[in-house]
Amino acid sequence: QKEVEQNSGPLSVPEGAIASLNCTYSDRGSQSFFWYRQYSGKSPELIMFIYSNGDKEDGRFTAQLNKASQYVSLLIRDSQPSDSATYLCAVNSLEAGTALIFGKGTTLSVSS
Amino acid sequence: DGGITQSPKYLFRKEGQNVTLSCEQNLNHDAMYWYRQDPGQGLRLIYYSQIVNDFQKGDIAEGYSVSREKKESFPLTVTSAQKNPTAFYLCASSSRANEQFFGPGTRLTVL
Repeated sequence: QKEVEQNSGPLSVPEGAIASLNCTYSDRGSQSFFWYRQYSGKSPELIMFIYSNGDKEDGRFTAQLNKASQYVSLLIRDSQPSDSATYLCAVNSLEAGTALIFGKGTTLSVSS
Repeated sequence: DGGITQSPKYLFRKEGQNVTLSCEQNLNHDAMYWYRQDPGQGLRLIYYSQIVNDFQKGDIAEGYSVSREKKESFPLTVTSAQKNPTAFYLCASSSRANEQFFGPGTRLTVL
C-alpha cells in the first residue's frame, strides 16, 4: 500500500511568519507532486505542483522536492490569517494510473 | 465558465436505499475520479475512469458503483451494501498532466 505521510498539526504561526509544511511518500516511482488547500467544509483547491527536484516558487508559495529522500515540502512566506486551512499533499502512483494518493493533511492556523 | 459541478450539495439516505451522486465537467478532461473524505481524514479513492466506457476500482470500491457513458459525466451510486456511507464525496477530473481539479462536493448523511 503506497502511502503519503503528513504531520496533522495544528501548525500555528503568527501573521507575517514563514509556515513550513512537510510530506513524505513511500513510492519511489512517483513523478508528480501536488499541494492542495482545503478550507473547512469546502473542496480542495490546487495551489502548487512540482515534478522536478529542487524548488518551485509561485508568489508567496514555494514547493521543494527531494526525490532521493522521498520528501516534498511547502513554504508559505508572509503568512496571512486567510492562509488558515488544511493543506493536503498528493502524489501520483503508477499502480493507480492517473489517480493520486493523498496524505491526511496538515492544519495551519495563522494568528493576527 | 469551465468547471466541475456536483449535485446535490446535501443528500440524505435512508437505510437500504441506493442513491446516485452526479458529477459533470466541461473541461474536456479525459480522466475523472471519485473520492470519499471522512472527518479529520485525507481523501480515499473510490473509483476512477481514464477514458469513456472504462473505469477501475480504487482502494474503497465496495458498496459503490459507477458508469462512464459520456466524457463529461461520471455518476456515483452508493448502494445499500455500503454500511457506513456518511461522508463528504468529492469528484475530480484531470488532463494527462495529472493535475486534478475538484468539484464542490456532496455531503451524504444516513438517516
